[in-house]
Amino acid sequence: QEQLVESGGGVVQPGRSLRLSCAAAGFTFNSYAMHWVRQAPGKGLEWVASLSHDGTNKYFADSLKDRFTISRDKFKKTVDLQMRSLRPDDTALYFCARGSGSWVDYPFDVWGQGTMVIVSA
Amino acid sequence: EIVLTQSPGTLSLSPGERATLSCRASQIFSSSYLAWYQQKPGQAPRLLIYGTSSRATGIPDRFSGSGSGTDFTLTISGLEPGDFAVYYCQHYGSSSLTFGGGTKVEIK
Repeated sequence: QEQLVESGGGVVQPGRSLRLSCAAAGFTFNSYAMHWVRQAPGKGLEWVASLSHDGTNKYFADSLKDRFTISRDKFKKTVDLQMRSLRPDDTALYFCARGSGSWVDYPFDVWGQGTMVIVSA
Repeated sequence: EIVLTQSPGTLSLSPGERATLSCRASQIFSSSYLAWYQQKPGQAPRLLIYGTSSRATGIPDRFSGSGSGTDFTLTISGLEPGDFAVYYCQHYGSSSLTFGGGTKVEIK
């Protein structure tokens, strides 16, 4: 079945970098836009970044675009989130989600279970 | 960037009652780009409604969405025990996607 599995989370010191990965299975990966969404403990959902099906269009939350990048590998069927200069307020559960179409203007119809990132000294 | 404001923050209702959740946008956008998600504790969000009023696959018809312009509504007619959760609206029609702050539907 359609599945997304995130990995790469953990405890990291402020100012360091971390790379999250999301592995897709059970669907034609190259046909769908992919997204990252995060959720700080006890808080709501925050959109982080989006990438079109072919990797040509990338979008980021304004507050994150200088520190985060998103990429995808069509052969490995993965979408990665590279995070730099991490801060304590980046602490959150990071979800990978599939858009239901090729471009970013589709709702998110498949979600992973998330990977936790804790930024702490 | 479109800001979505959800109200109320918490809705206390009994099973069988009707829930009406509001999502108000800071500017007008096409109703084609408004979605609702349900999230239960410890779980990922689940798509309920897209395009303001279309139900996602497998979503029962007690969930309905409506609205236009800047005002959108999710209605749950006849709350069932599994419906007590947090609900988020989302705008996905531009290069800046946003979520509302969420409405928690709790058992009264």
